[in-house]
Amino acid sequence: QSVLTQPPSVSGAPGQRVTISCTGSSSNIGAGFDVHWYRQLPGTAPKAFIYGNNNRPSGVPDRFSGSKSGTSASLAITGLQAEDEADYYCQSYDRSVSAWVFGGGTKLTVL
Amino acid sequence: QVQLVESGGGVVQPGRSLRLSCAASGFTFSTYAMHWVRQAPGKGLEWVAVMSYDGSDRYYADSVKGRFTISRDNSKNTLSLQMNSLTTEDTAVYYCARVGVGSVAAAGNWFDPWGQGTLVTVSS
Repeated sequence: QSVLTQPPSVSGAPGQRVTISCTGSSSNIGAGFDVHWYRQLPGTAPKAFIYGNNNRPSGVPDRFSGSKSGTSASLAITGLQAEDEADYYCQSYDRSVSAWVFGGGTKLTVL
Repeated sequence: QVQLVESGGGVVQPGRSLRLSCAASGFTFSTYAMHWVRQAPGKGLEWVAVMSYDGSDRYYADSVKGRFTISRDNSKNTLSLQMNSLTTEDTAVYYCARVGVGSVAAAGNWFDPWGQGTLVTVSS
């Protein structure tokens, strides 16, 4: 069971907007620690897609955005494309276990 | 370009040891903290260990504390993970990852970039 909770799967049609939630607690996201997001394509290593809650590394399309409020965070993807199909993970730090923690991952399916 | 290449994975029996390596290139390795993160087959990501730029600080996940040791050789741009007393629960792809920014094991940091990973299978 992951410290951060994500929905196992989300889906959307091409062109639509989808969001992926990441729910934590007062010992991680709610304590003010930043949330970061990673995308993992099948058989490949994760890649940073959003860092520091809402910053995009160079090369990541502006269709991707992050937000954080209270004990939760979200990744929003607009103008959904087939190439966005992947697993997405949120990550933060938890002071109660003194560890960097991940969500369980969300599989995004483009219908 | 920035590159991380892991090696040393393989099949090992429960209770035995294995040493992983991560060769870094394309950046000043000695100025960045480095992490190990693992992913069991079909499962999510799990942080394993971190070491600061100069090796003065190192932290471990509870699941590996006392069994795994992270180390680095800045003269060879190499990060290592010594894994002892392996169990089947340690079966996973092991990734080395650089911190996004910074030299210390800062709580708010993120992992970027990642290596391609090396598979460790613990089985009798």
